Amino acid sequence: AAGVIQSPRHLIKEKRETATLKCYPIPRHDTVYWYQQGPGQDPQFLISFYEKMQSDKGSIPDRFSAQQFSDYHSELNMSSLELGDSALYFCASSFGEGPSGNTIYFGEGSWLTVV
Amino acid sequence: KQEVTQIPAALSVPEGENLVLNCSFTDSAIYNLQWFRQDPGKGLTSLLLIQSSQREQTSGRLNASLDKSSGRSTLYIAASQPGDSATYLCAVIYANSGGGADGLTFGKGTHLIIQP
Repeated sequence: AAGVIQSPRHLIKEKRETATLKCYPIPRHDTVYWYQQGPGQDPQFLISFYEKMQSDKGSIPDRFSAQQFSDYHSELNMSSLELGDSALYFCASSFGEGPSGNTIYFGEGSWLTVV
Repeated sequence: KQEVTQIPAALSVPEGENLVLNCSFTDSAIYNLQWFRQDPGKGLTSLLLIQSSQREQTSGRLNASLDKSSGRSTLYIAASQPGDSATYLCAVIYANSGGGADGLTFGKGTHLIIQP
């Protein structure tokens, strides 16, 4: 079965640069979530979208922005990168609006290293 | 602050044993609870989803229970195998004051090692 696809899988950027992560949800899933997992930490919720509109917002820094496109894929844009942004970024998808009863499926993650 | 706590942080048992992982959450106003497995450097694999109205879910050798009133969930693994070695994460979707949710709130996980 198709899973959540994230790209790139690995990314190295310098401080103050910009990075963009892409996420392709499972077909027919209309909700996308972004999470950040620092080294040795549990995943932290950043932001979510339902039907191309932002639905919930977590601990996403102001330097980050995200959107969901008409084909339901999503992009996370990170600017003015800091060393502390180095983490594994997960995208997840599910079907249905809001805190539905449907399982949330995660991608393999994108490793961002800021040097 | 709404939190999720997992006990123990690490567990090492011989192959074949049955084991229980514990998860507790601070607020009974949850939409659902989900158990995940994470292998080192890998993504999160969903194991079981329990709706707030449910008491348990089963999948193969895994059984998860939910007691909303006491704020607890357990993941029972029967007849453990070396391939079960991974970090197991419990995550809850809490309801927020606006009637929505703030995404999954994760525990810090239980690092499980099954000795051959």
